Amino acid sequence: RKEVEQDPGPFNVPEGATVAFNCTYSNSASQSFFWYRQDCRKEPKLLMSVYSSGNEDGRFTAQLNRASQYISLLIRDSKLSDSATYLCVLRDNFNKFYFGSGTKLNVKP
Amino acid sequence: EPEVTQTPSHQVTQMGQEVILRCVPISNHLYFYWYRQILGQKVEFLVSFYNNEISEKSEIFDDQFSVERPDGSNFTLKIRSTKLEDSAMYFCASSVWERGDQETQYFGPGTRLLVL
Repeated sequence: RKEVEQDPGPFNVPEGATVAFNCTYSNSASQSFFWYRQDCRKEPKLLMSVYSSGNEDGRFTAQLNRASQYISLLIRDSKLSDSATYLCVLRDNFNKFYFGSGTKLNVKP
Repeated sequence: EPEVTQTPSHQVTQMGQEVILRCVPISNHLYFYWYRQILGQKVEFLVSFYNNEISEKSEIFDDQFSVERPDGSNFTLKIRSTKLEDSAMYFCASSVWERGDQETQYFGPGTRLLVL
């Protein structure tokens, strides 16, 4: 069973749309959660950490549901520059990081 | 803004050769990592390094691999006797604890390794 599972997409949305990604994880002992974005052939870049109470950073909102073992990312008012692959990442209690395969987002004009 | 740097950006080698990938983490960071990403696949954790020793490693990180922090600034990944399947992008990352409870990793731009 995969540690982290994501819908690979692609999600094709128009500019201004709201889009949501989900991610499920199998290890209930996972400690920390993150969303990264990765542009084609580039390094992953931290988008936001995910806190238990949920958190927002501008147009981005992340939620964590430990009971159901899933994490979500909501992007409001999508911009063309949001086009990327969004990676769900978790850290376990041994300080190992697990990456999902990513969800590809295409924002169209 | 400080950043993680990696050299070389691209490396082509013959199967069976040894390669050393170099990374300069952000200066005040204490945790260092190597990841690899085979083309079209997910990012995979290889090893974490703290206080001059390996703290965790994955099943991928076998005896073919080793890491070193030779001089207090560089962090290297050595791959001995490279195989075709070692062809991948190798990312270095370093991290710092922020807000007291969240570790934030910063990735370098990667070294693309091609084994022929």
